[in-house]
Amino acid sequence: GAVVSQHPSWVICKSGTSVKIECRSLDFQATTMFWYRQFPKQSLMLMATSNEGSKATYEQGVEKDKFLINHASLTLSTLTVTSAHPEDSSFYICSAPERGIETQYFGPGTRLLVL
Amino acid sequence: AQRVTQPEKLLSVFKGAPVELKCNYSYSGSPELFWYVQYSRQRLQLLLRHISRESIKGFTADLNKGETSFHLKKPFAQEEDSAMYYCALLRGGGNKLTFGTGTQLKVEL
Repeated sequence: GAVVSQHPSWVICKSGTSVKIECRSLDFQATTMFWYRQFPKQSLMLMATSNEGSKATYEQGVEKDKFLINHASLTLSTLTVTSAHPEDSSFYICSAPERGIETQYFGPGTRLLVL
Repeated sequence: AQRVTQPEKLLSVFKGAPVELKCNYSYSGSPELFWYVQYSRQRLQLLLRHISRESIKGFTADLNKGETSFHLKKPFAQEEDSAMYYCALLRGGGNKLTFGTGTQLKVEL
């Protein structure tokens, strides 16, 4: 089946720094990718939709200047958490639907800890 | 607005017992519903979707529009079924999923 990878799997950074998380579709092309955030013992909350060749669309309440999304190619989307603060510490997960198929494939997630 | 409700955070059953994980939804359009599963230390993966009407790993789920439910059932629980289960609703346009809060299923020997 289709595989989505994320890098890094975990990252620790100092408050005020920026962190970039990559999401790749390994064996299929994805014109759209999704970024989720998951707090401990809570559900996945959709943050934004990454669109190849155009701007990302953000869910209500998500700061676009805080969470920069770039969909550079049909297999790569990046999420940059800018000027990270401790409250940004979370588990970030991406997903990608294979083109023409409704099923979404999820990455393994990236755990971010901001000190 | 769309919403997915999973009332149980934790469901504990004995091996061989029937399992029912509850999911209710609210959505103004025609719903497409999914069950996703996350085994320990693994990524989220699709278990089944209502439009395919199939049984995966012995699990089934029937969409009941009258009760706005999509409960996940299995007649005989196995130890390997222990995992986190999420019910999800596909919103119209854009392939976006709304997830429930998840139910942790624990199958005890």
